[in-house]
Amino acid sequence: EPEVTQTPSHQVTQMGQEVILRCVPISNHLYFYWYRQILGQKVEFLVSFYNNEISEKSEIFDDQFSVERPDGSNFTLKIRSTKLEDSAMYFCASSVLSYGYTFGSGTRLTVV
Amino acid sequence: SQQGEEDPQALSIQEGENATMNCSYKTSINNLQWYRQNSGRGLVHLILIRSNEREKHSGRLRVTLDTSKKSSSLLITASRAADTASYFCATALNRDDKIIFGKGTRLHILP
Repeated sequence: EPEVTQTPSHQVTQMGQEVILRCVPISNHLYFYWYRQILGQKVEFLVSFYNNEISEKSEIFDDQFSVERPDGSNFTLKIRSTKLEDSAMYFCASSVLSYGYTFGSGTRLTVV
Repeated sequence: SQQGEEDPQALSIQEGENATMNCSYKTSINNLQWYRQNSGRGLVHLILIRSNEREKHSGRLRVTLDTSKKSSSLLITASRAADTASYFCATALNRDDKIIFGKGTRLHILP
């Protein structure tokens, strides 16, 4: 069964450093998303991406965040200057026609 | 906010029993989806129900949707130890809209 692949599974970074979280969505999917889940809390929407551009973003997705689909297969989330409160699980998802998302296993980001 | 709110927050039942989780939301929706998350893992899509549907089945799962009450329920029949997980409902306002998750129900199946 097709999967969404996320790398790395765990990343530790120092506060103020840039991180790039990588995702390979399912190849024939059209919609791409990033969500995050702070430990013990609910899953929060960050951004959706369709037709090579951001279609919607949440208030969490401020100027420190950016997304790219650089080569038609990868989908990346960049955090320019990480803060302690960015520590969370980050999930990538993709879907066809936005029905029923397929999520990756997540990247656990720890900012120290 | 359109987000769903699950009830109860936590549920412990004996293996073999049925588990029922509820989700309420605030605005009209296009569809509602249920996801499962095993501890520290990713989210697995279970079932999607559209606003014009009232009930859907998938294996041991049964989902109902009552748009007049803005609520949905997820029933897992004949529960198994492997069903231990958190279950989330997520709603989409429009067909191509993002989905917004509720806080989830932690289900624990006792042997």
